Amino acid sequence: KNEVEQSPQNLTAQEGEFITINCSYSVGISALHWLQQHPGGGIVSLFMLSSGKKKHGRLIATINIQEKHSSLHITASHPRDSAVYICAVRASGTYKYIFGTGTRLKVLA
Amino acid sequence: KAGVTQTPRYLIKTRGQQVTLSCSPISGHRSVSWYQQTPGQGLQFLFEYFSETQRNKGNFPGRFSGRQFSNSRSEMNVSTLELGDSALYLCASRTGMGPETQYFGPGTRLLVL
Repeated sequence: KNEVEQSPQNLTAQEGEFITINCSYSVGISALHWLQQHPGGGIVSLFMLSSGKKKHGRLIATINIQEKHSSLHITASHPRDSAVYICAVRASGTYKYIFGTGTRLKVLA
Repeated sequence: KAGVTQTPRYLIKTRGQQVTLSCSPISGHRSVSWYQQTPGQGLQFLFEYFSETQRNKGNFPGRFSGRQFSNSRSEMNVSTLELGDSALYLCASRTGMGPETQYFGPGTRLLVL
C-alpha cells in the first residue's frame, strides 16, 4: 500500500462544477503540499499545510491531522484548471517527500 | 527574482553512457532537491542537498549521485544509463529552513535508447 493515496485517479468535470480531490497518508508528517502539473511537465506548488485550511482564489485546501487526510477543492472550475494535481507529504523527522500518484483533472467547456 | 533553471531541457543518451544534469536554484535558496518522474512510478525523491552536504537520499541505486557547489547550484549524475532511467528529472529549491514551499524547475527530459 502506498504511503500517500489520492482519489480519484481521474476526474472529468463540466465548467463551473465544484471539484474535490482527496489525499490520505499513513506516515507522520511535518507538512503536506498540493502541487499542480500542467502538460509539458512544469510543477507549481499550490499550498503547503500543516493544519487547518488555506484559500487562494478559487482553490481551498484543508487538512485533518488526526485523520491523516487532506482535500483540495476547486470552486467554479474552468478548463484552465485541467492538470494533474499531486499530493506530497514531508515525513516527520526527515527531509524526504513522499508523493501521491496524482489526480488527472479535465474540465470541459 | 529568477526562477529555478535546469539544463539541458532535453537529452538523448544511449545505454551505458553517463549523464550530468544541472540545476540553478532561486537566489538565496540553499536547499536543492532532485526528483525523478516516470509514467509508471510517478514522482520519486532522489536526494536533497543543503549547503553543499547531502541531507537525505531516496531509494535509488548508487549510479545516481549528486553534488552541490558553494553557490548552491547542484548537479546530478547518472552513470551506466539503463533504459529505465528515461524520465523527467526535476529539481526544486527552497531556503532549507524548516517546512516551506518548494519551487520547481522546468525539468530535464532524459531519453535513454
